[in-house]
Amino acid sequence: ETGVTQSPTHLIKTRGQQVTLRCSSQSGHNTVSWYQQALGQGPQFIFQYYREEENGRGNFPPRFSGLQFPNYSSELDVNALELDDSALYLCASSLGPLDTDTQYFGPGTRLTVL
Amino acid sequence: AQSVTQLDSQVPVFEEAPVELRCNYSSSVSVYLFWYVQYPNQGLQLLLKYLSGSTLVESINGFEAEFNKSQTSFHLRKPSVHISDTAEYFCAVSDRDSGAGSYQLTFGKGTKLSVIP
Repeated sequence: ETGVTQSPTHLIKTRGQQVTLRCSSQSGHNTVSWYQQALGQGPQFIFQYYREEENGRGNFPPRFSGLQFPNYSSELDVNALELDDSALYLCASSLGPLDTDTQYFGPGTRLTVL
Repeated sequence: AQSVTQLDSQVPVFEEAPVELRCNYSSSVSVYLFWYVQYPNQGLQLLLKYLSGSTLVESINGFEAEFNKSQTSFHLRKPSVHISDTAEYFCAVSDRDSGAGSYQLTFGKGTKLSVIP
């Protein structure tokens, strides 16, 4: 069973640019959640996708958006980047969207906004 | 709204000594509780979780945590730590009765455990 992978590992962008981060879930996992982890903080929930539809969202503006594909891959898109968007972005996959479904995390993408 | 407080940002401890990492949560509803561990340059890994039943839960590598509803705590303990336990530990909570068919984990800020040889 393969784990959760993310790409790229590191990324540097400038303010105002757009970025796409990618995640490959474990096979059979139809739910993916995205988290933002700022330096020195715990991860914060951005949103969750279940069977290719958004299925819950945290306190993040609409410029954070996502896609989930049938092949267990997903994307997090951030438009109009701001300096405060600099963080580690984590995706987590699970069999389903229930509280009892364990989330398996990828290693993250480190985004730096200059 | 839920919140998680991890009272210690860093905990140094000598090898083979016991350790306790503290976690308190605030929630207006019933919750599920989790501990995740993050080794350097790696993603979060689930260490243990409390869903229901016995309030004492154990992991395969010797950690245990006890759910205390009256004190709204879920402290993590290990009787004897090893060098390999050096990592950052995150306590997390989810709403047991979200009803929306989705759930989000609310994390604490983490506790860095450093095991000293």
